[in-house]
Amino acid sequence: AQSVTQLGSHVSVSEGALVLLRCNYSSSVPPYLFWYVQYPNQGLQLLLKYTSAATLVKGINGFEAEFKKSETSFHLTKPSAHMSDAAEYFCAVSYRSNDYKLSFGAGTTVTVRA
Amino acid sequence: NAGVTQTPKFQVLKTGQSMTLQCAQDMNHNSMYWYRQDPGMGLRLIYYSASEGTTDKGEVPNGYNVSRLNKREFSLRLESAAPSQTSVYFCASRPGGEHEQYFGPGTRLTVT
Repeated sequence: AQSVTQLGSHVSVSEGALVLLRCNYSSSVPPYLFWYVQYPNQGLQLLLKYTSAATLVKGINGFEAEFKKSETSFHLTKPSAHMSDAAEYFCAVSYRSNDYKLSFGAGTTVTVRA
Repeated sequence: NAGVTQTPKFQVLKTGQSMTLQCAQDMNHNSMYWYRQDPGMGLRLIYYSASEGTTDKGEVPNGYNVSRLNKREFSLRLESAAPSQTSVYFCASRPGGEHEQYFGPGTRLTVT
C-alpha cells in the first residue's frame, strides 16, 4: 500500500527561523510528490510539486523541497519564517498507475511566534 | 475564472436526512475528485471521476454516491446522513496530462 507519513503534527517556530516539515513516502515505484498549504477555513493551495524533473523544487512564498529517493523523503523548508506562514501543511503523493489519485499525510500545523 | 466552486459552504443535517453537495469547475478539467477532511487524518478520497461518464470508488466510499453530470459538475450525495459523516468536504479537479489537483473552498457538514 502506498502511504505518506508526516513527522510531527505541530511545529512551532520563531519569526525569522528555519521552517522544516518532514515527509516520507513508502512506495517502490517513482512517485509524484506535492506540498499543499491550507490557511484557516480555506481550501488547499499547491505550494510546490515534484514530477521527476529537478530534485530540488522551488515553490511559492519562499518554500522549497528536495526529493531524496534513497531516503524516500520530500521535506519542505523555508529559510526564514514569516507570521503569514502559520497554516496547516499537507504532503501528498500520486502515481500515474493509480489514476493520479492523491494520498495525503495527516498534516502539520505550523505556528509562528513573534 | 472561478476555478472550483462548491455549494453550500455550511450545512447542518439531522441523522437520516439526505443532501447533495455540489461541485463545479470552469477550467475544462477531465478529472474530478471528492475528499473528506477529518482532524489528524489528512484528506481521504471518497470518489473520483477520471472523465465525463465514469466514476470510481476511493478509500472511503461507504454512505456516499456521486454523479458526474457533465464535464463541469460532480456532485456528492449522502442518502442517509450519519454523525460519522460530520466532516469538511473538498472537491478537486485535475487537467489531463497534469499531475496536480486544484481544490475548492470546501463544505463544512455537521450531522447531529
